[in-house]
Amino acid sequence: AQTVTQSQPEMSVQEAETVTLSCTYDTSENNYYLFWYKQPPSRQMILVIRQEAYKQQNATENRFSVNFQKAAKSFSLKISDSQLGDTAMYFCAFMRGETSGSRLTFGEGTQLTVNP
Amino acid sequence: ETGVTQTPRHLVMGMTNKKSLKCEQHLGHNAMYWYKQSAKKPLELMFVYSLEERVENNSVPSRFSPECPNSSHLFLHLHTLQPEDSALYLCASSREGHSGNTIYFGEGSWLTVV
Repeated sequence: AQTVTQSQPEMSVQEAETVTLSCTYDTSENNYYLFWYKQPPSRQMILVIRQEAYKQQNATENRFSVNFQKAAKSFSLKISDSQLGDTAMYFCAFMRGETSGSRLTFGEGTQLTVNP
Repeated sequence: ETGVTQTPRHLVMGMTNKKSLKCEQHLGHNAMYWYKQSAKKPLELMFVYSLEERVENNSVPSRFSPECPNSSHLFLHLHTLQPEDSALYLCASSREGHSGNTIYFGEGSWLTVV
């Protein structure tokens, strides 16, 4: 079974600064995918970024980037130039590389607050 | 707007009531999911439907009954629930057939059992 651990229940950052959210996972799989989702107060679960385990290059989406360390089973999210709208709960998630009935295993989440 | 719509957004029901949550996806996906999100707990996968067949039921009590009449619609029928079933229920969908498909979520249905 896979497990995902987010060791930071809460974090805060000043607007325009950079913050990094941590995530570690445990799996015996070699083919898998990793995701970061954000859940703002509206509770909509929104995809932020995804990473294929077979790719060494770290994924980037505008102000969001990841530091994927496969050997260490670490998948951190860096948010640059933080904005007030980034305030949300952030979930790290793991998916095995299957083609049917994809399943996400989520971490406990990190509540990020961006302060003006 | 992610293309996954859930209704109702809020539901209050008594323990003897029967109600249903509805989910509709407009993304052309062929797999749908129900997740439960309780306070202080990670999201829990409840049911998975792939090509309209239930492929997973994670030891969910029988008072929760899913139904997937077609690839665009998913229901969660609720009957004789308990107060501990109060939670946010999230519907999601994805396109099967390729590894690592991204799962898209609806806005959730808040359920309160009184």
